[in-house]
Amino acid sequence: GAVVSQHPSWVICKSGTSVKIECRSLDFQATTMFWYRQFPKQSLMLMATSNEGSKATYEQGVEKDKFLINHASLTLSTLTVTSAHPEDSSFYICSASATGGSEQFFGPGTRLTVL
Amino acid sequence: DQQVKQNSPSLSVQEGRISILNCDYTNSMFDYFLWYKKYPAEGPTFLISISSIKDKNEDGRFTVFLNKSAKHLSLHIVPSQPGDSAVYFCAASVTSGTYKYIFGTGTRLKVLA
Repeated sequence: GAVVSQHPSWVICKSGTSVKIECRSLDFQATTMFWYRQFPKQSLMLMATSNEGSKATYEQGVEKDKFLINHASLTLSTLTVTSAHPEDSSFYICSASATGGSEQFFGPGTRLTVL
Repeated sequence: DQQVKQNSPSLSVQEGRISILNCDYTNSMFDYFLWYKKYPAEGPTFLISISSIKDKNEDGRFTVFLNKSAKHLSLHIVPSQPGDSAVYFCAASVTSGTYKYIFGTGTRLKVLA
């Protein structure tokens, strides 16, 4: 149980385009989902926290207009990187917490490369 | 401001010996701590956690120790196995509000056969 999937697992795009990454909780309902970013050989940095049906809460220094987060259902959250640039190339990981729970279950991550 | 730090970026240990990974934190509000194992291009895998009301938690080969006064926790792996080679992250959380995790900087463990 408690499986979280991400799609796509990797994506390459041209600079200036937008990329959408999906995070799904497969066997539980996730009231809260978290989005992290990891640059090579660095820590996982929390970007934002999203609660189903409400606006995401972004961490300091994360541009909410650039990283659009939608959590429209209890099993799906999406992260859209708008007008991507090479510096946005990173490994993006989502996690999900079950309704009423605190433990986070992590997805396998999405490697984004912006050319 | 790095609230959770792992001061050793890497560690090498012989197979069968004990691996000790350390983590320090600065925020005294943290009351729940976790250790994750991570391979490149994969999501982190949960290993073990500890609540601030305890000072030790054990699960098989993994034991986590928490020293609240020193704001320090450590993960002991014994005996170490080559399959344990990975990057290990500690994470800290405040169990109220959004329960968000703050991750440490990671320690790359290499277990030598």
